[in-house]
Amino acid sequence: DADVTQTPRNRITKTGKRIMLECSQTKGHDRMYWYRQDPGLGLRLIYYSFDVKDINKGEISDGYSVSRQAQAKFSLSLESAIPNQTALYFCATSDETSVHEQFFGPGTRLTVL
Amino acid sequence: ELKVEQNPLFLSMQEGKNYTIYCNYSTTSDRLYWYRQDPGKSLESLFVLLSNGAVKQEGRLMASLDTKARLSTLHITAAVHDLSATYFCAVYSGYALNFGKGTSLLVTP
Repeated sequence: DADVTQTPRNRITKTGKRIMLECSQTKGHDRMYWYRQDPGLGLRLIYYSFDVKDINKGEISDGYSVSRQAQAKFSLSLESAIPNQTALYFCATSDETSVHEQFFGPGTRLTVL
Repeated sequence: ELKVEQNPLFLSMQEGKNYTIYCNYSTTSDRLYWYRQDPGKSLESLFVLLSNGAVKQEGRLMASLDTKARLSTLHITAAVHDLSATYFCAVYSGYALNFGKGTSLLVTP
């Protein structure tokens, strides 16, 4: 089984709809992240969490919110989706060692019409 | 703000040839990562470089880190078609990874 899972894998929605993307991990890591990937732009950080009570904004948090329901679960919400939020979204985890290596989920492809 | 620049962004090379991808970053860091991404897929970790002078090799790929120059290289030796993918470098910012825009590599016969 995959260590980091994301649901749904694909989603098409309409402008103004509320959308939640979910991430679960079995790696036992405390740190979790949400990134967004757009063609030609690499990955950009939306939010990150170092433990259940810790939530931090990344460079592109506007229009997004997150919830850390448990150590293993980190959800990303789009309260009112807009077309320029069409992108590939990745969840990642890392442990607290000095290596800081991140492990990525399979991604969610979101299309906002 | 930590900026990460990769070049080239696109690379078409013949099988059997050698080439190097460069990753420059703007502020001090001694944690650099290389990932591979196939079309429509997730990111796969290739190398983790944790100190100045670090060099790691896996098959036809070799990565190095020069923290004083703020430069990492990913060298491809005798390219084969299976290496066609997008390669990202990422630098640890103190709390997350800052990614370059990626190098799209196409290896042709």
